[in-house]
Amino acid sequence: AQSVTQPDIHITVSEGASLELRCNYSYGATPYLFWYVQSPGQGLQLLLKYFSGDTLVQGIKGFEAEFKRSQSSFNLRKPSVHWSDAAEYFCAVAPLRGGYNKLIFGAGTRLAVHP
Amino acid sequence: DAGVTQSPTHLIKTRGQQVTLRCSPKSGHDTVSWYQQALGQGPQFIFQYYEEEERQRGNFPDRFSGHQFPNYSSELNVNALLLGDSALYLCASSLSRDGYSNQPQHFGDGTRLSIL
Repeated sequence: AQSVTQPDIHITVSEGASLELRCNYSYGATPYLFWYVQSPGQGLQLLLKYFSGDTLVQGIKGFEAEFKRSQSSFNLRKPSVHWSDAAEYFCAVAPLRGGYNKLIFGAGTRLAVHP
Repeated sequence: DAGVTQSPTHLIKTRGQQVTLRCSPKSGHDTVSWYQQALGQGPQFIFQYYEEEERQRGNFPDRFSGHQFPNYSSELNVNALLLGDSALYLCASSLSRDGYSNQPQHFGDGTRLSIL
């Protein structure tokens, strides 16, 4: 069955520290991969996406993610976290073709940022 | 350029009632998907509409139904509401090419549905 695992439910970092949020997926083939961010009471904002090509993708707000096929992982990173980055982060996958872009989400990682 | 808009923002219903949620897609998008996000969980796919037809459905009962209008806007209907239907309902839109929707989905801010 297709699934997405985000092993860390809650992460706390200090402002200015680096960040890595983990994401592993289980899928028959390499899917499309996404990271979304959700602030309290709001919808989801797309941070970045991987469809093909360079395995290191750049997104908005200084985020990047690296696709590693051998590990079925798509971890999100940021070199220096800002207080405004506190939010919930969701990793998602969608079929490469034929699946009409149905998104399968992980359970999310809640990020807290200490001043 | 308006993004995805959903109405209402909040709704309170009682068990057994019926509810209709509405969504207007981002300008230029023709595909609408609906997701249910229970508290503390990731969104779960309900169904997707394209060309006014449901073309894919997640693991939700028939109490959940929808509609897409010629202007691409969409409605989500839930009948015989249960306490477990309390959740944030998210609408997402995208553009389909050649019948497939391989473009990123843009989400609205959701409708918070509370069942008493």
